[in-house]
Amino acid sequence: EPEVTQTPSHQVTQMGQEVILRCVPISNHLYFYWYRQILGQKVEFLVSFYNNEISEKSEIFDDQFSVERPDGSNFTLKIRSTKLEDSAMYFCASGRQAMGTEAFFGQGTRLTVV
Amino acid sequence: RKEVEQDPGPFNVPEGATVAFNCTYSNSASQSFFWYRQDCRKEPKLLMSVYSSGNEDGRFTAQLNRASQYISLLIRDSKLSDSATYLCVVNWGNFNKFYFGSGTKLNVKP
Repeated sequence: EPEVTQTPSHQVTQMGQEVILRCVPISNHLYFYWYRQILGQKVEFLVSFYNNEISEKSEIFDDQFSVERPDGSNFTLKIRSTKLEDSAMYFCASGRQAMGTEAFFGQGTRLTVV
Repeated sequence: RKEVEQDPGPFNVPEGATVAFNCTYSNSASQSFFWYRQDCRKEPKLLMSVYSSGNEDGRFTAQLNRASQYISLLIRDSKLSDSATYLCVVNWGNFNKFYFGSGTKLNVKP
C-alpha cells in the first residue's frame, strides 16, 4: 500500500539553526500539506501546496518557513532560524484532489529545538 | 468558538462495549468530514470519511447532522486495539485545509 514517507524521524537542532524536513508524498497525489502538532495539543495546519506553489498557509507559516518541491518526488519544509517554540511533530500529508477527499499522513518528524 | 470541538475523555470502557463520540463544528459551510485515529506519538490515520447519509465500516458507524453541525462515531464490540485518540476532522475551503479537533481518548480495558 502506498504511503507518505518522512525523513528524518527525529531531528535535534540548536536554536537559530536552519532545518529541512523531507517528505515523499504518494506518487499519484497532487496536493501536499504540512501540519504540526505540539506535544499534547491538536494537529494544526501549516501550508498546502499545489501545482508548484503555495495554495494556502496559516498564520503560523511566517517568513521563517518555506516549502519546496525540488523534483518530482520530494516535498520539503524549511525552517530558517528555529525557535524553541518550533519544537513539535511535523506531519507531511498528500491527497489526490483538493475538494472533499481525505489526506494521508506520513509518520512525522519530531523536531526538538534546544 | 473553536472550529472543531470534541470531548477529550478519556472514555474507559470494557472490551465488547459500545461507545459513541460526538464532535461539533462551527462553520456551516464545511464540506467534508472525517474521523482519524491517532496512537500515541504517531501520525493520524484515516478511519473513515463521513457522508451525509451516514456510513458504516464493520464495527464503526459515522453520522453527520448538518442542521446541528455535529458528527458522531459509534464503535461496537470494542477491542483492546481500539484504544487510541479519535480525531474529528472537518474541511472547508478549496485546498483541504483540515481543521482538527483536539481528539477524544478511548481506553478499552480487558
